[in-house]
Amino acid sequence: SYELTQPPSVSVSPGQTARITCFGDKLGNKYVFWYQQKPGQSPVVVIHEDTERPSGVPERISGSNFGNTATLTISGTQALDEADYYCQAWDGNTAVFGGGTKLTVL
Amino acid sequence: EVQLVQSGAEVKKPGESLKISCKGSGNNFNNYWIAWVRQMPGKGLEWIGIIYPGDSETRYSPSFQGQVTISADKSITTAFLQWSSLKASDTATYYCTRQTRTAPYYFDYWGQGSLVIVSS
Repeated sequence: SYELTQPPSVSVSPGQTARITCFGDKLGNKYVFWYQQKPGQSPVVVIHEDTERPSGVPERISGSNFGNTATLTISGTQALDEADYYCQAWDGNTAVFGGGTKLTVL
Repeated sequence: EVQLVQSGAEVKKPGESLKISCKGSGNNFNNYWIAWVRQMPGKGLEWIGIIYPGDSETRYSPSFQGQVTISADKSITTAFLQWSSLKASDTATYYCTRQTRTAPYYFDYWGQGSLVIVSS
């Protein structure tokens, strides 16, 4: 079965750039989606189709996907960005989520 | 406005059965695929399966096939997730979520989650 691998945690200082990676075999050949989940809340999509932001998601959140790695980049990280982030892709008709990355804003 | 409203928290014993629900409001609920996602305590998201309420076509993750049953009643715009015999390892929060109508598909609306605790 297809697997997506994320680092368990990423730490960043306020105002700096956070990068969260998602690794999968030939992942660049698939579309990747990113979800943000804050404690006690349901997930919310922040990036779809590798790079597209839904309305309401700030421009400082961006995505890329090349080769085997997709990356979620948060520029000028703020305290409100502290959350768990999950990448997701499709393996045929099955949705696959990465294990999630806890972003800590120190 | 699209809303997915899930049933409340449940505390059950091992071996008991359970059916949780996800009621959709807004236009065209029956024309969207609705997925179920598990989140075990302190863990990540796992896709269980998906149903098209319009005709009840259902697909399961291989990891969950045979472990749960997904169903829907389009007359009441509600999807269900059920267990015939719960195990302690079924303890988790379960989310329903709507898949977008057009490809590439992702999950654009989520329910609030249903906490299921299985304990003797």
